[in-house]
Amino acid sequence: QVKLLQSGAALVKPGDSVKMSCKASGYTFTDYIIHWVKQSHGKSLEWIGYINPYSGGTNYNEKFKSKATLTVDKSSSTAYMEFSRLTSEDSAIYYCASGANWFAYWGQGTLVTVSS
Amino acid sequence: DIQMTQSPASLSASLGETVTIECLASEDIYSNLAWYQQKPGKSPQLLIYYANSLNDGVPSRFSGSGSGTQYSLKINSLQSEDVSIYFCQQNYDSPPTFGGGTKLELK
Repeated sequence: QVKLLQSGAALVKPGDSVKMSCKASGYTFTDYIIHWVKQSHGKSLEWIGYINPYSGGTNYNEKFKSKATLTVDKSSSTAYMEFSRLTSEDSAIYYCASGANWFAYWGQGTLVTVSS
Repeated sequence: DIQMTQSPASLSASLGETVTIECLASEDIYSNLAWYQQKPGKSPQLLIYYANSLNDGVPSRFSGSGSGTQYSLKINSLQSEDVSIYFCQQNYDSPPTFGGGTKLELK
């Protein structure tokens, strides 16, 4: 079955960057786009962007264009998101998600805490 | 961006009751709407897509309806395992956007 396994929680300082991973299994990695979603304050969800593992093409939410960088490593079926110049507003759970047209499959989430 | 407004923000209901959650889009999204369930401490899970199609494995007590800008999620015969936050999401235009969520609790 499809599984998305994300990297563990991170505690980072303001101004630093963080890179998190999402390892896919149970399907052909290049078949589905990988999306990234931010969940703040335990409730609201925001779409950050997606990467097409087949072509490497990306599409970002304008709000996160200067903040997030999405990459993939096809050899290990892993997607990555790097978040830069972190502030307290970036403290959140970050999910990877995939599926044919909808967010049908989700990772377990990576908790990022930004604190000095 | 298309704004998705959910109501109510929170809801308390008894076991066996029928509950309805509403989602209003800021423009016509032509049924490109999904509902997700997020249980405490877990990732969201897809319940319904294209407004009324039930995802595999989702109990038939869940149903979706609507068109244009107005959509709803109905849960018949509420069970204890339905305690969750429910989100709507539009996929008609980029960026995909989510409603603010409805927290469903047991009375």
